[in-house]
Amino acid sequence: DTAVSQTPKYLVTQMGNDKSIKCEQNLGHDTMYWYKQDSKKFLKIMFSYNNKELIINETVPNRFSPKSPDKAHLNLHINSLELGDSAVYFCASSLTGSHEKLFFGSGTQLSVL
Amino acid sequence: DAKTTQPNSMESNEEEPVHLPCNHSTISGTDYIHWYRQLPSQGPEYVIHGLTSNVNNRMASLAIAEDRKSSTLILHRATLRDAAVYYCILSGNYGGSQGNLIFGKGTKLSVKP
Repeated sequence: DTAVSQTPKYLVTQMGNDKSIKCEQNLGHDTMYWYKQDSKKFLKIMFSYNNKELIINETVPNRFSPKSPDKAHLNLHINSLELGDSAVYFCASSLTGSHEKLFFGSGTQLSVL
Repeated sequence: DAKTTQPNSMESNEEEPVHLPCNHSTISGTDYIHWYRQLPSQGPEYVIHGLTSNVNNRMASLAIAEDRKSSTLILHRATLRDAAVYYCILSGNYGGSQGNLIFGKGTKLSVKP
């Protein structure tokens, strides 16, 4: 069983569209994250949720809206996609948010044309 | 932000030990030192972490300097599957949440047969 699974693996879409990426973890963790890895391979945190509550919200455009229906799921919805949104998005989870190791999903490669 | 400095790249021969250095001269007393690695086209994978004492697990060893301003990740016998980008990261109270990991550029490790 995959610990942190995200779908889809690849997402190709046009500018201006709205898309969602789903993430689920079966580890019983309390905290989930979204990270973005750009073309230069820098990995930056976007959001962190602890027990469905937003903990970290880095400087991310309002077009990005995370949704956590329960603590095992953290979905990322992106409105009005722009070329600069093209990147690999990684979901991750940890037991708590405090110095615990992160378990990452395999990533969603988003290409905006 | 506490920052880490790592060499951009390193090479190793298969079956030989590898020592990956990391400098973190601005580390604070409560920062943990984490190491993750990212294989091509995969999400980051936890390797090891520690606070003050040296740590060992089945993947690697972490040697932490007495003043904690540097650390070394030791892979005891490199295999081709260890070729990856290795990230040395400090976790502290960033963004309002402890455990928020800020990834740098990492060290790209190549392993030659």
